[in-house]
Amino acid sequence: NAGVTQTPKFRILKIGQSMTLQCTQDMNHNYMYWYRQDPGMGLKLIYYSVGAGITDKGEVPNGYNVSRSTTEDFPLRLELAAPSQTSVYFCASTSDPSIPQHFGDGTRLSIL
Amino acid sequence: DQQVKQNSPSLSVQEGRISILNCDYTNSMFDYFLWYKKYPAEGPTFLISISSIKDKNEDGRFTVFLNKSAKHLSLHIVPSQPGDSAVYFCAASGQTGANNLFFGTGTRLTVIP
Repeated sequence: NAGVTQTPKFRILKIGQSMTLQCTQDMNHNYMYWYRQDPGMGLKLIYYSVGAGITDKGEVPNGYNVSRSTTEDFPLRLELAAPSQTSVYFCASTSDPSIPQHFGDGTRLSIL
Repeated sequence: DQQVKQNSPSLSVQEGRISILNCDYTNSMFDYFLWYKKYPAEGPTFLISISSIKDKNEDGRFTVFLNKSAKHLSLHIVPSQPGDSAVYFCAASGQTGANNLFFGTGTRLTVIP
C-alpha cells in the first residue's frame, strides 16, 4: 500500500523557472493538502482540495497554483520560482477532515 | 504570527524515563489538537489527538493533556524508548475536522539508551 507518493524527492531550480510537484494517493481520499515547511518552522498550509474539481487557498498560497482533475492526483505548480520558495513541501490526504491526515515523504526544493 | 508554539527545540531523556513535550497556543477558537511524529526524510505520522471537550487522552505509552484555561497541552511518553527519537509537532484546528491545521515548530526528542 503506497499511501501518499510525492515526486520528485529533491529538486534544484533556478530563479524564474517553473515546475510541478506531483502528489498521488491510492487510498481514494477526497481531501488533499499541500504544506510547506521552512527550516526551524512548522508546516504551513498552501492549498487544499475537498474533492475532484474543488480547491481552496490555505495560509500561504501566493506564488503557487493547484488543480484537482482526479481523486488520486493533486499537483502543485510553481510558475516563477523565487528564493523564498526554497522549502520542504509535503502533501497529505484524508478521507474526512475529522480523521488525521496521512503525509507523503516530502519534496525538498532549493531555488538558487 | 505563530499561533501554535513549541518553545523547546530539543529534549534529551534517558531510556525508560518519562518524556514531556509541551505546546502552547494563542487562538481560543482552537478546539482540536494533534501530535505528529516525524523521522528524518519522512513525512509526519499521526500519533495522538484530543478534543477540547476532554482534558486527557491516552494511547498506550502516549498521553496528551489539555489545559484550556492555560491554552497549553503536553505529550507524555512513558516509558521512553530509543525508537521514540524523532521530531514531534503539535497541531491545532479551529473546529474538529477543519481543513486548516496550524503546526508548531517542533521539538526534537532524543532518547538515550
